[in-house]
Amino acid sequence: DGGITQSPKYLFRKEGQNVTLSCEQNLNHDAMYWYRQDPGQGLRLIYYSQIVNDFQKGDIAEGYSVSREKKESFPLTVTSAQKNPTAFYLCASSPIAGAGYEQYFGPGTRLTVT
Amino acid sequence: GEDVEQSLFLSVREGDSSVINCTYTDSSSTYLYWYKQEPGAGLQLLTYIFSNMDMKQDQRLTVLLNKKDKHLSLRIADTQTGDSAIYFCAEKVTYNTDKLIFGTGTRLQVFP
Repeated sequence: DGGITQSPKYLFRKEGQNVTLSCEQNLNHDAMYWYRQDPGQGLRLIYYSQIVNDFQKGDIAEGYSVSREKKESFPLTVTSAQKNPTAFYLCASSPIAGAGYEQYFGPGTRLTVT
Repeated sequence: GEDVEQSLFLSVREGDSSVINCTYTDSSSTYLYWYKQEPGAGLQLLTYIFSNMDMKQDQRLTVLLNKKDKHLSLRIADTQTGDSAIYFCAEKVTYNTDKLIFGTGTRLQVFP
């Protein structure tokens, strides 16, 4: 089955700890994205990557870091510097950067930090 | 600046039509999308429209685009309980970026 997987579905961490969210795709897509979703709000872009070994900050990159060492993987680390990390995190990918290709979304990871 | 707005809630009776509205501010939008999100899940693309089109129909879904008013709508005909979800509109602003600007989402509730 082709698709995007995010694991785990639910993640709990103590305040002050870094945590890494996994995102893997087997669609051979070039571009990958991380979004954050809060209740009653739209999705906000954290980071995106158009090609391996390259990534750009989105609108709310502070307190987050990413890597793109492999085409199929785009992990997101939520650092202790992120002031309000509890949220639903969505990973997406698209075939080719730019143009009108749709973004395909993973099932999401709900992170709770206490 | 870039901004996409939607009303937060819509409630319709099963079998009626639903119309979800969206307004955007950036006139350089290239593609406009409608995504559906079911509880606790990711987003699923429903349909999209290129900015030089006025209308697109896909089975029960009809998208209307009014470029002058920067207004996008999604009409769902014969709404079913399975259509209950949050619907997001999103715009892609230019060809050179992958950035999508999402609206706040409209929660559609379908009652029997």
